[in-house]
Amino acid sequence: AQSVTQPDIHITVSEGASLELRCNYSYGATPYLFWYVQSPGQGLQLLLKYFSGDTLVQGIKGFEAEFKRSQSSFNLRKPSVHWSDAAEYFCAVGAGDGLTFGKGTHLIIQP
Amino acid sequence: DTEVTQTPKHLVMGMTNKKSLKCEQHMGHRAMYWYKQKAKKPPELMFVYSYEKLSINESVPSRFSPECPNSSLLNLHLHALQPEDSALYLCASSPSGPDEKLFFGSGTQLSVL
Repeated sequence: AQSVTQPDIHITVSEGASLELRCNYSYGATPYLFWYVQSPGQGLQLLLKYFSGDTLVQGIKGFEAEFKRSQSSFNLRKPSVHWSDAAEYFCAVGAGDGLTFGKGTHLIIQP
Repeated sequence: DTEVTQTPKHLVMGMTNKKSLKCEQHMGHRAMYWYKQKAKKPPELMFVYSYEKLSINESVPSRFSPECPNSSLLNLHLHALQPEDSALYLCASSPSGPDEKLFFGSGTQLSVL
């Protein structure tokens, strides 16, 4: 079965600084990979997805992610964070039976 | 219309009550999902309907009963719930299959007393 690991439970970043959120997956083949963001009490919004092709994926709100097969990673990056980016971020993997989500990373933005 | 609409947004029910959660989408998607999310936890898949047929049931207790009346609607019928069932219930849809990008509703925050 597939699994997703987000090693950082909380990350604090200063506004304007760069951001990288880590995600590692476990699956026998190349899975479908996703990053979602969730604000408190809200549903999840898709930031970006990787199915195949170019390993650097551009998403909404200035986010990008890079798929690295050799490291089984799909890390999310943003060059300059805004206070509105404070939220919970979930990495997810799809392998034919619905998405499996990581435990999430809570992003805190310092002024 | 790119929204998934869930009603009600909040629900409080007793353990002997029967209630239903509703979900609607008009994007022409043929797969619809129910997820359960406890506070500070990731969403957990409960059910998947694909082309109006139940395709995935993640061993959810029978006190949760899904229904897909048509391709745009998804219901979750609740009966004799337990306090530990209190959670945010999220509905999602995707164009056809379980590995595509999901569009989520805002959820129903359920409290069982």
